[in-house]
Amino acid sequence: DAGVIQSPRHEVTEMGQEVTLRCKPISGHDYLFWYRQTMMRGLELLIYFNNNVPIDDSGMPEDRFSAKMPNASFSTLKIQPSEPRDSAVYFCASGGEQETQYFGPGTRLLVL
Amino acid sequence: QKEVEQNSGPLSVPEGAIASLNCTYSDRVSQSFFWYRQYSGKSPELIMSIYSNGDKEDGRFTAQLNKASQYVSLLIRDSQPSDSATYLCAVNLGTSYDKVIFGPGTSLSVIP
Repeated sequence: DAGVIQSPRHEVTEMGQEVTLRCKPISGHDYLFWYRQTMMRGLELLIYFNNNVPIDDSGMPEDRFSAKMPNASFSTLKIQPSEPRDSAVYFCASGGEQETQYFGPGTRLLVL
Repeated sequence: QKEVEQNSGPLSVPEGAIASLNCTYSDRVSQSFFWYRQYSGKSPELIMSIYSNGDKEDGRFTAQLNKASQYVSLLIRDSQPSDSATYLCAVNLGTSYDKVIFGPGTSLSVIP
């Protein structure tokens, strides 16, 4: 298995632009997580899905953030409009039955 | 009080020594505990999980759990420079994936 796949790996955009991050989880995993990591705040859970259904989105910082999982093999995290304080590394992770999570390589987002 | 706490470090140990990393958590009902390793610029990867009080050994790594005292530790024997990384403690505050919370991480540096 290729593991969790994320794209793009790097994104540089200007304030106010829409940003879409993509994730393909490991096949057969029922859970998908979106995290944000910064030096100041560490690793923060934004939202997670179980069987494509959002379970907990209490970590989503603002209405500017939205996430979807239209099928078992694809999820998106969208920021619209983006702001400089959204600059961070965004990780997608997937998990199976044993509560262990497998992280993708991350997307480094820089909002100018 | 934060839900999961770790010493931020950096923790420096000489090559061949034992590195001891500690984590405390606030919720007594927590059942599942994980240690992730994150190299600089990379994504977290699971190295140990522990569910019962006591010790769990895997190669040079030993996880120790004491639910009464609400702490979990990770010992790395015969530390190698390749062990230099940030170690993240993760605690599941509920059941299944209800609420897995990551600590801030401890930076470990193994000096040759």
